[in-house]
Amino acid sequence: RKEVEQDPGPFNVPEGATVAFNCTYSNSASQSFFWYRQDCRKEPKLLMSVYSSGNEDGRFTAQLNRASQYISLLIRDSKLSDSATYLCVVNHPGGFKTIFGAGTRLFVKA
Amino acid sequence: EAGVTQFPSHSVIEKGQTVTLRCDPISGHDNLYWYRRVMGKEIKFLLHFVKESKQDESGMPNNRFLAERTGGTYSTLKVQPAELEDSGVYFCASSRLGGTQVGNEQFFGPGTRLTVL
Repeated sequence: RKEVEQDPGPFNVPEGATVAFNCTYSNSASQSFFWYRQDCRKEPKLLMSVYSSGNEDGRFTAQLNRASQYISLLIRDSKLSDSATYLCVVNHPGGFKTIFGAGTRLFVKA
Repeated sequence: EAGVTQFPSHSVIEKGQTVTLRCDPISGHDNLYWYRRVMGKEIKFLLHFVKESKQDESGMPNNRFLAERTGGTYSTLKVQPAELEDSGVYFCASSRLGGTQVGNEQFFGPGTRLTVL
């Protein structure tokens, strides 16, 4: 079993749709969680950190459920520019090793 | 503020040759990370420096890979001798803080695309 697992995707949604991505992690002692986006042949760019209380940044909402070892990302009012691969990232306990999920590809269509 | 920079952007070498990749982190970032993405796979952690010290090098594939960060500024990753399976994109990232501290968000460089023929 992989340490970080994501919805395989791809997700194909129309502009304006709401889309949710899920991610699970296997090590219950993990403490830091992030969502990154990666455009084709580019580097990952930080989208947001994920805090225990959940956090929101504009159209993006991230939530963490420690009991279920589950992280989610919700994108509201999808834009064409949201088309990218979304990466779930978890810091190994101790914080020095970072584990990436395989990513979920999102296509937003006009 | 300048971002993380990596050099070269592309490298094509033959099996058995040596290649050295360079990463310049964001100024003031003590934490520096190397990652690799091979085609079709997820990004894999290689190692993590805090200043010039290796904190975790558990992801280094084998002893053909050597990472250094003398002086705690830029870092190099040398592959010697290169093998076909070393092909991929090598990313470097840096963060102001590490561990589980707030401020441990990592910022990535554009990567070096390595092709071993």
